[in-house]
Amino acid sequence: AQTVTQSQPEMSVQEAETVTLSCTYDTSESDYYLFWYKQPPSRQMILVIRQEAYKQQNATENRFSVNFQKAAKSFSLKISDSQLGDAAMYFCAYRSAYDKVIFGPGTSLSVIP
Amino acid sequence: GAVVSQHPSRVICKSGTSVKIECRSLDFQATTMFWYRQFPKQSLMLMATSNEGSKATYEQGVEKDKFLINHASLTLSTLTVTSAHPEDSSFYICSARNLQGAGGADTQYFGPGTRLTVL
Repeated sequence: AQTVTQSQPEMSVQEAETVTLSCTYDTSESDYYLFWYKQPPSRQMILVIRQEAYKQQNATENRFSVNFQKAAKSFSLKISDSQLGDAAMYFCAYRSAYDKVIFGPGTSLSVIP
Repeated sequence: GAVVSQHPSRVICKSGTSVKIECRSLDFQATTMFWYRQFPKQSLMLMATSNEGSKATYEQGVEKDKFLINHASLTLSTLTVTSAHPEDSSFYICSARNLQGAGGADTQYFGPGTRLTVL
């Protein structure tokens, strides 16, 4: 069975600085997708970024980028120029092709003004 | 982007009553929807996968007779919590799979969630 681990229950970052959230996963499959979701206090799940496993290039969305290391089964999220609105729970998630999404335990990110 | 709605956003009920939560995909058709449960400060736990026109697939440990799921159309799935008890109090989130979404092929979009409180 696939598992997703986030080893940092809480993180904090100074406004305008950069922070990296860690995620590792375990799978025996070769075709899968990885995601980072943000859950602000409103509790609405927001897709931050996605990565297809077959793509070697790391995904980037504006200030958000990932470091995808397939062999190491690592998928970290880097947030550059952190803003107060980035404060939220961040969930790393895994999904094999056309299957259910499995979420990690989450990392609570605080942004210090 | 694609929108998924949930109704109601909050519900308070007495122990022993049944509560129905609706999940709608507003601008796309979703053959598959998912129901999650989230306790405070915890992650989302998948309860069941709902497929249009067929029976839902429940995760291990989820009581199918307590959490009834119906996916009668391509835009609507419902979760009914039967004979609710205080331990069923939680935040319930649905998501709908959009196979042709602009966010990338086969993207899941989440509803805003429903907070259920059972007294």
